[in-house]
Amino acid sequence: KAGVTQTPRYLIKTRGQQVTLSCSPISGHRSVSWYQQTPGQGLQFLFEYFSETQRNKGNFPGRFSGRQFSNSRSEMNVSTLELGDSALYLCASSSRDEQYFGPGTRLTVT
Amino acid sequence: AQSVAQPEDQVNVAEGNPLTVKCTYSVSGNPYLFWYVQYPNRGLQFLLKYITGDNLVKGSYGFEAEFNKSQTSFHLKKPSALVSDSALYFCAVRGLQSGGSYIPTFGRGTSLIVHP
Repeated sequence: KAGVTQTPRYLIKTRGQQVTLSCSPISGHRSVSWYQQTPGQGLQFLFEYFSETQRNKGNFPGRFSGRQFSNSRSEMNVSTLELGDSALYLCASSSRDEQYFGPGTRLTVT
Repeated sequence: AQSVAQPEDQVNVAEGNPLTVKCTYSVSGNPYLFWYVQYPNRGLQFLLKYITGDNLVKGSYGFEAEFNKSQTSFHLKKPSALVSDSALYFCAVRGLQSGGSYIPTFGRGTSLIVHP
């Protein structure tokens, strides 16, 4: 079975721009979660989608949003980028509470 | 508020010796507890979980963890460490939040270094 894939792997954006990250879960997994990983804050939960509905949401501003499509693929959008948004963004798909993580998208905001 | 503490930033152990990576948690209600491992230049991998049942949980690569409700701990253990076990280990808890949502909280991670 193919693992979780994330695109793009690396991204450089300028403050004020917006960005969209994509995640394809493991086949058959209907739950997709997004995380932000930084050296200072560690791994922080952004949100979880299940069957195209946001099921849980972390404590991030509204600039961070997401969606899930009928094929379970998910996208995450960050608008009005700030320098502090520079991070590794991880996507995970779940089965029976076990999360399987993708390699992440490294976002650098300049 | 829900929280996870991994009190050691780094654990050093000699190959062949037993290892323990510590984790304590705070959560409302019954916890869902997890351990993940992150190898250099690779993504996070699921190791094991505790939802309910036996307090000793066995996982991948010979790892196990012991759930202790009274001490609110979920320490990761392995009887005999391998050099290839050297990696970053994360403990996580998932509990019921006010408002009815289940949000996972991860610890800061513990770097395990196994010396030959």
